Formats: sequence, structure tokens, C-alpha cells
Amino acid sequence: QITLKESGPTLVKPTQTLTLTCTFSGFSLSTSGVGVGWIRQPPGKALEWLALIYWDDDKRYSPSLKSRLTITKDTSKNQVVLTMTNMDPVDTATYYCAHRSLAAAWDYWGQGTLVTVSS
Amino acid sequence: QSALTQPASVSGSPGQSITISCTGTSSDVGSYNLVSWYQQHPGKAPKLMIYEGSKRPSGVSNRFSGSKSGNTASLTISGLQAEDEADYYCCSYAGSSTLFGGGTKLTVL
Repeated sequence: QITLKESGPTLVKPTQTLTLTCTFSGFSLSTSGVGVGWIRQPPGKALEWLALIYWDDDKRYSPSLKSRLTITKDTSKNQVVLTMTNMDPVDTATYYCAHRSLAAAWDYWGQGTLVTVSS
Repeated sequence: QSALTQPASVSGSPGQSITISCTGTSSDVGSYNLVSWYQQHPGKAPKLMIYEGSKRPSGVSNRFSGSKSGNTASLTISGLQAEDEADYYCCSYAGSSTLFGGGTKLTVL
């Protein structure tokens, strides 16, 4: 059974750096083809893909946010970490981590964590 | 890269069929057979309903089907039920990137 869970601060101040951790179970991020990504959703708005890391440490980022994002993995801890610099109120959103299947689909999702950016 | 284009809303009566379109470009939807669809109820995480354009994960009702023509993918829900009322998002592989649609709110009348 695959599960994922996001953790991190619920409130950050403008200009600060956000660090979110995705802790997962039921699969290994050292298995060929496996990926874990981050997707966010501002309140009342659409889903937006942010970043993806593959089993071989290949990393992909949203072109519009690439300069602000870093994704890393700790295979031994079954964790993926996303950092986003220079946070702004428009970055207020629910942040999800998800398992990416070989078919490039997000087949398992975490429950999401709401991050509010406010001074 | 722009988000994929979906209608903001669709509606249908119980028992009817509806189709939600998802329009991309030749660089994403048109180039890969890797479109997926997600259902999201209020306050819940998205749920995968269709992958690789037309395949259903285990446990997803066969009332949900997907197709693609050119740069446009479609999700069809037949035999509408009250529980189908939700937001639906398409998603496409785009080479080094991933694109989501703007979402479609389905109302079951």
C-alpha cells in the first residue's frame, strides 16, 4: 500500500524560504522508473505542477518557478524535500506530493498541506 | 508553456453522459499518449481516473472513459451519478515538464 504525507510549516513570511518534506511508504525511490513530485493548488484555483525527482536523481522543474525551486531525495529515509525561496502571498496554496507512475500519471497523492504566506 | 485548456464548467442530469475537453498543443497532448485525468472533491486530494489517455486504474468505474484526437483529449462520464459532482483536471506529459488543465467543475443537476 502506497502512502505519502506532506509536512512543513503552515505559515511563512514573505521573502522566507519554504521547506516541505514528503514522507512515503509502500515503494522505493531507488526502483527504476519511480518518481515523486510536488503539485500545488491555491485556494479555489487549479492544480499546478512544481517539480519531479526520479529514482536516478534526475530532476525536473516548472519552467516558471525553476529559479526558486530545489527538489532532493533521501532514499534511506523514504523522503523527498522541496524548497521554494522568496515566498510571496501568491504562493499561498495547498501543497501536495504524489507518486508518479511509469505512465507519467500521478497515481497516489498525499493529503496535502496548506501553506499560508503572510506577514 | 501554458496550462491546458478546459471548459470552466459542465453539467448534466443523472443518467446522462457528459464530455470534458482538454486542449493542448503539438508539444504536449498532441505529441504523447500520456494524458491523465483527476477527480477532486472539495477538501480532498485529487484521484487518478484515467491514465495514458484511456486506461482506467483498478477500482475506477467503467463509466469513466478517455480519448484523444490531435491536440485535444476528452473525458466522458456516462450514466451520471450525484457522486460524480466534482472538479476534474487533465494533465499531460510535455517532455521535460508536466502541464495541468485549468479544471472543470461538473454539476449534476
